[in-house]
Amino acid sequence: GQQVMQIPQYQHVQEGEDFTTYCNSSTTLSNIQWYKQRPGGHPVFLIQLVKSGEVKKQKRLTFQFGEAKKNSSLHITATQTTDVGTYFCAGDNFGNEKLTFGTGTRLTIIP
Amino acid sequence: DAGVIQSPRHEVTEMGQEVTLRCKPISGHDYLFWYRQTMMRGLELLIYFNNNVPIDDSGMPEDRFSAKMPNASFSTLKIQPSEPRDSAVYFCASRYGDTQYFGPGTRLTVL
Repeated sequence: GQQVMQIPQYQHVQEGEDFTTYCNSSTTLSNIQWYKQRPGGHPVFLIQLVKSGEVKKQKRLTFQFGEAKKNSSLHITATQTTDVGTYFCAGDNFGNEKLTFGTGTRLTIIP
Repeated sequence: DAGVIQSPRHEVTEMGQEVTLRCKPISGHDYLFWYRQTMMRGLELLIYFNNNVPIDDSGMPEDRFSAKMPNASFSTLKIQPSEPRDSAVYFCASRYGDTQYFGPGTRLTVL
């Protein structure tokens, strides 16, 4: 079945440094979504990418969908303590109503 | 809107006991998903419903797990009998369009 892997599994950064997480799917995706889960919380939707090569920005967050629609990345510029949490990508496999969630990247910030 | 509501928020039970988790989706959302999250296995989809009809239960681990959605505003996930390996956080999510909205989760501990 479809697998969605993320690297790294964990990332510790100094506050103010940049952070990137990468998402790779074993199959081509129709779209990809990103979610953030704060410690002790629940996943919260951030964004959806649909087009090949699409890039979207939300303040300090930049999301990219690969040309082959099999990979994606999330980049955070100048991290802040509020960025702490686990970031999940989730892929939608054409015509499928369900999402396959990635393994997640847990971000911790060193003040 | 109160968002997706789950109860109980925490459940501690002994092995062999029946456990029932409850979910109230956001009004008007036509899809409902049940997920299980553990450190070892990440976020796993157990089952999902569309307009109260179960569509895919391939993620349900064993016959000990069952889920129902008797109406558009209520769903249950039942484990009978429960085992220590069922300990996890169980999330319910409802969907409108492409976005899934997660509830706060039920943390289940089976002793």
